[in-house]
Amino acid sequence: ETGVTQSPTHLIKTRGQQVTLRCSSQSGHNTVSWYQQALGQGPQFIFQYYREEENGRGNFPPRFSGLQFPNYSSELNVNALELDDSALYLCASSWRGQGNYGYTFGSGTRLTVV
Amino acid sequence: DQQVKQNSPSLSVQEGRISILNCDYTNSMFDYFLWYKKYPAEGPTFLISISSIKDKNEDGRFTVFLNKSAKHLSLHIVPSQPGDSAVYFCAAINQGGKLIFGQGTELSVKP
Repeated sequence: ETGVTQSPTHLIKTRGQQVTLRCSSQSGHNTVSWYQQALGQGPQFIFQYYREEENGRGNFPPRFSGLQFPNYSSELNVNALELDDSALYLCASSWRGQGNYGYTFGSGTRLTVV
Repeated sequence: DQQVKQNSPSLSVQEGRISILNCDYTNSMFDYFLWYKKYPAEGPTFLISISSIKDKNEDGRFTVFLNKSAKHLSLHIVPSQPGDSAVYFCAAINQGGKLIFGQGTELSVKP
């Protein structure tokens, strides 16, 4: 059973650029959630994807968007990067219907915007 | 609007003693709570959970207590070990089934 894999592990971008982060969900999981963890803070919910559609969104602007693919992997896209977007981005997969505690997290992508 | 709060950013405990990590929440509709542990350069890993219909759940050295009237939960680790040193996050499941995290408490267990 493979866990959640995120790529890349680290990334440096310039303000105004666009970035795509990737996540492969754990085998058997059909739902992917994305979280942003700023330094010294807890993870903040960005959005969740189930059956390739957005299934809930946190308080993030539209320049944060995502995709889920038929194999349940997912992408997080951020346009017009701002300095405050610098954070650890975490992906978590789960099986919808299994129970609310079945979240498996990846190790995250550390994004630095300069 | 911080619905889940961990007011202690750090805690230092001697090996073998009890560690108590606290968490408060504001939304009485939360019906499931979880604790996650996070090491540097790794994602959060699930530690223990509790349903709102219970007031205690125990798993080995880890016990979670829930006081619904006070909207407060705590994680007890006894005895504490140096390998327990990590950041601990309290989280709740909201009505949409999404995880809402607290800010985290960094636990340091000294030998």
